[in-house]
Amino acid sequence: QQQVKQSPQSLIVQKGGISIINCAYENTAFDYFPWYQQFPGKGPALLIAIRPDVSEKKEGRFTISFNKSAKQFSLHIMDSQPGDSATYFCAASPGGYQKVTFGIGTKLQVIP
Amino acid sequence: DAGVIQSPRHEVTEMGQEVTLRCKPISGHDYLFWYRQTMMRGLELLIYFNNNVPIDDSGMPEDRFSAKMPNASFSTLKIQPSEPRDSAVYFCASSLRGGPGDTQYFGPGTRLTVL
Repeated sequence: QQQVKQSPQSLIVQKGGISIINCAYENTAFDYFPWYQQFPGKGPALLIAIRPDVSEKKEGRFTISFNKSAKQFSLHIMDSQPGDSATYFCAASPGGYQKVTFGIGTKLQVIP
Repeated sequence: DAGVIQSPRHEVTEMGQEVTLRCKPISGHDYLFWYRQTMMRGLELLIYFNNNVPIDDSGMPEDRFSAKMPNASFSTLKIQPSEPRDSAVYFCASSLRGGPGDTQYFGPGTRLTVL
């Protein structure tokens, strides 16, 4: 079963716009939620991560919003740039455990 | 550090052949992971090791798949016999310690095509 549901699967945003990717999870044991960024021909790389004790985390143009009661979290990319064009994966893992479950991925294209 | 190293980067083989994928984790990392990436299923964890010992292999699709980690600096993922549905990109990743919040560092992947 798909424990982490991610949408949309593809996204086109104009340069300067806001990119929003949403994820939802089912397993209440998850307590660590990383986002990974993957460029073509490369492996995924950690972008930003959040724990459920905070509702928002911001790093530069990237912000994670987290809603524990709804079991949802999202990635916002402000002032999107063509260099942000990549595939983004949300993920989740339970406490004290290395097994990470990934979402299906969102292919983001930022057009000039 | 050179990061996680995988070889080969590309592998094309015929159905029924044995395929061996190789991984060298980042030095000092205690955990090693093997993932498979396909368009349909995304990134799936196949197996992971802690200090060279397999901890969870529940993601290994079937007995045709096997993984070993004979020492802290080397791991293999073997498919025997290979089938066209095994075509995918296989990633190896490593992390320093267990527990959430510990970043997994991915290698560049091996693109496997089984004809």
